[in-house]
Amino acid sequence: DGGITQSPKYLFRKEGQNVTLSCEQNLNHDAMYWYRQDPGQGLRLIYYSQIVNDFQKGDIAEGYSVSREKKESFPLTVTSAQKNPTAFYLCASSILSGAQYFGPGTRLLVL
Amino acid sequence: KQEVTQIPAALSVPEGENLVLNCSFTDSAIYNLQWFRQDPGKGLTSLLLIQSSQREQTSGRLNASLDKSSGRSTLYIAASQPGDSATYLCAVFHHLNTNAGKSTFGDGTTLTVKP
Repeated sequence: DGGITQSPKYLFRKEGQNVTLSCEQNLNHDAMYWYRQDPGQGLRLIYYSQIVNDFQKGDIAEGYSVSREKKESFPLTVTSAQKNPTAFYLCASSILSGAQYFGPGTRLLVL
Repeated sequence: KQEVTQIPAALSVPEGENLVLNCSFTDSAIYNLQWFRQDPGKGLTSLLLIQSSQREQTSGRLNASLDKSSGRSTLYIAASQPGDSATYLCAVFHHLNTNAGKSTFGDGTTLTVKP
């Protein structure tokens, strides 16, 4: 069953804590993306990767970090430097410059 | 910097009506444009992808057009149904020669189809 999975569905972060959001795809896509969505708004690009072991900053990379050690996986870490992390985080994948396909999202809340 | 605008922000129509959603972008140097549907609290579902060399794409009751020179795309929904109620987002993907892989999304149009 091909697709993109994100976990967990909900994540709670305490003050000063780093948390990691998981994104896995079995579509054999080269490119993967992380977006943040705030209520009533569109998506903003955090990081993207077009190939293993390489990634680029998007428009709002500050306070976030990523790694791309495997083609199938693109985890996102929300660091303590991100002062307003409460949002809906969406991961996507695509063939290079092809249609993007999205996972179900992770909702991050701050305790 | 690429900016994507979707008008209107919200739209309410009676069931059976044909409707058009609009998307405009400021930089015509795009590689492709994609329309998505998002249900509340869910991820995005891809509806249609238009390559920059294409003028339109069709899937069932949906038809998307692209006019790069004027920086516009429209999504036409025929014979709307209550199940079409959702937020519709458009996204432009930047040209391969510059910022390849980057995308810019509009804020979406929230559609309500009343039975």
